[in-house]
Amino acid sequence: QQQVKQSPQSLIVQKGGISIINCAYENTAFDYFPWYQQFPGKGPALLIAIRPDVSEKKEGRFTISFNKSAKQFSLHIMDSQPGDSATYFCAASGGGATNKLIFGTGTLLAVQP
Amino acid sequence: KAGVTQTPRYLIKTRGQQVTLSCSPISGHRSVSWYQQTPGQGLQFLFEYFSETQRNKGNFPGRFSGRQFSNSRSEMNVSTLELGDSALYLCASSLVGGGWSPLHFGNGTRLTVT
Repeated sequence: QQQVKQSPQSLIVQKGGISIINCAYENTAFDYFPWYQQFPGKGPALLIAIRPDVSEKKEGRFTISFNKSAKQFSLHIMDSQPGDSATYFCAASGGGATNKLIFGTGTLLAVQP
Repeated sequence: KAGVTQTPRYLIKTRGQQVTLSCSPISGHRSVSWYQQTPGQGLQFLFEYFSETQRNKGNFPGRFSGRQFSNSRSEMNVSTLELGDSALYLCASSLVGGGWSPLHFGNGTRLTVT
């Protein structure tokens, strides 16, 4: 019940296309859902995050869509660029007094020029 | 503002030895968390400290321990190293505790156990 399932494992997108990564969770106590971007040799960097009281959040080319009833959320990268090529992780937290994150298994995105 | 700093960047140790990793959080951040990243298990939570107190602990054996100092800097220690402990160890800090407080990660310490 503590797992966050992420798909696909890898994704190849053409420059200018839309990249979509999906995550699903079981624990209804989760109330904070961030996405992280990680480049080789670097630590994960927070990209965008959402709470379950909204269905969508947009920051620049990055959008999170959240479906509370289905317990699913997804990351959409519009106008994908070669510089977006990285590993993306979804995560979830139960909030409260701890900020422990449960991470998905990651998606390796390659944007071809 | 300087980011999260982890030292050393790389470590090579032998089975049975112990190792200490260091983390300096972003200035003003009081919460420090540690994660282990491996190709097989992904990112797994080790422990979280807030104001020098361990607030949460993941499912790792007692060989893994940590502490936080009064200046919020943190160390983690792994004793009796095993080959399976080879991983990237990531430290993350946040301004305050709480599930909605964004985590800022360092670039990690790459530990290789031979």
